[in-house]
Amino acid sequence: NAGVTQTPKFQVLKTGQSMTLQCAQDMNHEYMSWYRQDPGMGLRLIHYSVGAGITDQGEVPNGYNVSRSTTEDFPLRLLSAAPSQTSVYFCASISSGSSYNEQFFGPGTRLTVL
Amino acid sequence: AQSVTQLDSQVPVFEEAPVELRCNYSSSVSVYLFWYVQYPNQGLQLLLKYLSGSTLVKGINGFEAEFNKSQTSFHLRKPSVHISDTAEYFCAVSAPDFGNEKLTFGTGTRLTIIP
Repeated sequence: NAGVTQTPKFQVLKTGQSMTLQCAQDMNHEYMSWYRQDPGMGLRLIHYSVGAGITDQGEVPNGYNVSRSTTEDFPLRLLSAAPSQTSVYFCASISSGSSYNEQFFGPGTRLTVL
Repeated sequence: AQSVTQLDSQVPVFEEAPVELRCNYSSSVSVYLFWYVQYPNQGLQLLLKYLSGSTLVKGINGFEAEFNKSQTSFHLRKPSVHISDTAEYFCAVSAPDFGNEKLTFGTGTRLTIIP
């Protein structure tokens, strides 16, 4: 199993550009989420999904869109990038249906918005 | 809602010395507690977790943590650190009764090992 994969690893955008950060998992996990990591602020939840066709907002959803058409994929879209969205983005997946299951994190995407 | 406080943003420690990274949490419901480690330019890796039962939990790489409910703390310890322990460490909490999928993270502690 590849686990959780993210592409691209690095990206530079200009203000106003759009892009999609890709996330895929091959563990058949129902639950997937997106976090952003900023210095001194830890990781903050952007959006999450409890299964295909179901998404919800996390702590910092503004400026980001998500969709979940398949169990495997959970892309994060920036419609009009802003410098405040410069960050490292992590995707995670987890298997639900039990009292506890471990979250698995992808390697991250480092995004710079100029 | 839950919150996590990591009081130390940076901790320098000499090699082979002991280390304690502090974590305090706030929650009105029962919680699961976690420590994650992030090595430079990598993703997060689970170090250890407390779900229930024994308050002393052991993790990978010789780390352990103790859950103290009265002090709402979950401090991470290692008796003798190595250069390879240089990393950022995150404490996190989830509320199992409300879905243990949402993790709330602390701001992180950067552990630097001095040779």
